[in-house]
This record gives sequence, C-alpha cells and structure tokens, in this order.
Amino acid sequence: GDSVTQMEGPVTLSEEAFLTINCTYTATGYPSLFWYVQYPGEGLQLLLKATKADDKGSNKGFEATYRKETTSFHLEKGSVQVSDSAVYFCALRTGGFKTIFGAGTRLFVKA
Amino acid sequence: NAGVMQNPRHLVRRRGQEARLRCSPMKGHSHVYWYRQLPEEGLKFMVYLQKENIIDESGMPKERFSAEFPKEGPSILRIQQVVRGDSAAYFCASSPLPKVDMLNTEAFFGQGTRLTVV
Repeated sequence: GDSVTQMEGPVTLSEEAFLTINCTYTATGYPSLFWYVQYPGEGLQLLLKATKADDKGSNKGFEATYRKETTSFHLEKGSVQVSDSAVYFCALRTGGFKTIFGAGTRLFVKA
Repeated sequence: NAGVMQNPRHLVRRRGQEARLRCSPMKGHSHVYWYRQLPEEGLKFMVYLQKENIIDESGMPKERFSAEFPKEGPSILRIQQVVRGDSAAYFCASSPLPKVDMLNTEAFFGQGTRLTVV
C-alpha cells in the first residue's frame, strides 16, 4: 500500500542553520505531496504542497520539490529560526480523500 | 471564521468507560475526517463522513469505535469500553465538498483531543 517514510528525529539545529528533512514515498498512482507542521499544543497546519512531478512547493522560507525519479519530497529551509521548532509531517494523497502521513520529524532550533 | 473546533482538548477515562470526542467543522464544510496519532507516530486515517453518511470507515477498529456526523451538530467519535491502547491524540479535519480534482481540496485540522486511559 501507499506509504511515507521520513527521517527520524529529533533534529537539533542552531538558529540560522540549513535544514533538510528527508521524505520518500511509495504510491501506486500519482500522488500529491504535502508537508504539514504541528506546533506545540496545536493541530496540523498545511505548510506546502506539490501536485505533480517537478513542482516546487514553498511557504515561509520552506521549500520542497516533487522528485518522481527518486520518489522524494525533501523539506529544506536556508536559515531556521527558533520559531520553526515543531513537528513536521510529510504526507501524500493519491486522488482520494485519505491522507497518508509519515511518522513526523521533531525539529528543535536553539538560539 | 473559526477553524475546526474539537472538544474536549484533554480527556481522561478509566478503563471500561466511554469516550466521546466532538468535532465542529469549519463553517461551510460538509465533510469530516478523523485521524488517530499514537505516541511518536504519524496520523492514521480512521473514518471519513459527510453529513448523515459514513463514506469510508476502513481505518476504524471493528469493535468499540463508531462515528457519526448528524444533520445538526458536531461530528462525534465514540469509543466504548476504552482500553489503555486507545490512549492517543485524535484529530479531526474538515473540508468543503471535494472538487472534481480532489487533490486540490484542502482539509483543515483541529487542535486534537488527547485521550488518556488510566
């Protein structure tokens, strides 16, 4: 079945460091790919998405490119801030209404 | 426009009791999705409901769990005779009527209900 695998956390970075959170997927169809963020004590918020190969999703300085050849959707940010500390979830949908989530990666950013 | 509202935020139940989790979708949204997040895991789909209809319940445990979304009022996820393994965060999401291209229909999530079974 469809699945999402993302790097285990926690990831601890200093402020202004470069961030990469790896995400790979397995899907039988042509999925849309998403990154969600969960701040402490809150629900999930959609961070960015890409709906077809080579699309780049971007928001708040975060970017991810849909790579069909490597079935990946890695999340990157050039300079993280303390306020970026959260749990990040990679997810996919293949045309239905069910979203398949990865296990989440916790990010800590130190001042 | 208020977001998806879930209550209670935290719920403690003893083994064998019933848990009722409520979800009020965003205004204008007629579709509700329930997910469960076990500790240190991602969200797992449980059930998808439209007003008065269950569309897909393939992720629901076969026993003790049920969900409804009545014509009036919030969606309810009900867990009967809770066990310690039911302890988790339960998230609700809502969306408007999905477009023809469902991939571009965004679902908005609530803050979740954290159920603890003692």
